[in-house]
Amino acid sequence: QVQLQESGPGLVKPSQTLSLTCTVSGGSISSGGYYWSWIRQHPGKGLEWIGYIYYSGSTYYNPSLKSRVTISVDTSKNQFSLKLSSVTAADTAVYYCASQRVSSGYYGYWGQGTLVTVSS
Amino acid sequence: QSALTQPASVSGSPGQSITISCTGTSSDVGSYNLVSWYQQHPGKAPKLMIYEGSKRPSGVSNRFSGSKSGNTASLTISGLQAEDEADYYCCSYAGSNVVFGGGTKLTVL
Repeated sequence: QVQLQESGPGLVKPSQTLSLTCTVSGGSISSGGYYWSWIRQHPGKGLEWIGYIYYSGSTYYNPSLKSRVTISVDTSKNQFSLKLSSVTAADTAVYYCASQRVSSGYYGYWGQGTLVTVSS
Repeated sequence: QSALTQPASVSGSPGQSITISCTGTSSDVGSYNLVSWYQQHPGKAPKLMIYEGSKRPSGVSNRFSGSKSGNTASLTISGLQAEDEADYYCCSYAGSNVVFGGGTKLTVL
């Protein structure tokens, strides 16, 4: 059973960079077959796709966030990470990491989510 | 890319059936049979309920079913139970991108 766990600061100051890491257990990122993804949910709102990375390092980002997002992978640690630069209060959200099946597009495994608040 | 369109809320009584629609475009829902549906209870992560439009993961009740016609996908829940009360989101692959619906709050009366 694959499990994902987000970690990182819960409070980030405006204009700084939000950094989160997702640790995968019960499966190897390097095994292929999955896009390792970040999704966020603003308080009381719907889900927003941020982007994903394949184990090879190929990335795809939401066009609306592309200029500020970087997703990277560390296969040796079985982790992947999110960096979102120049944050504002509008980036306050619960951030989820999830695995997306390449062939079918569904998110079968999710982390529990971590709330990141942007405030001075 | 725009979010897929879902009704903000639906409701039904225990035992009844409800259907939640998810309308996209010919660039997402209409082009790919890769619509998935998620159930989210308050404070919890989303849970996969339907994938590839109509397939159920192991462990998901057969009261949940999915379908698609043109640019619109649908999730039907039959035999409503109190535990079905939650938010539901559709999701579609759209080329290299992914788009979610705005979510539907299901109330079991």
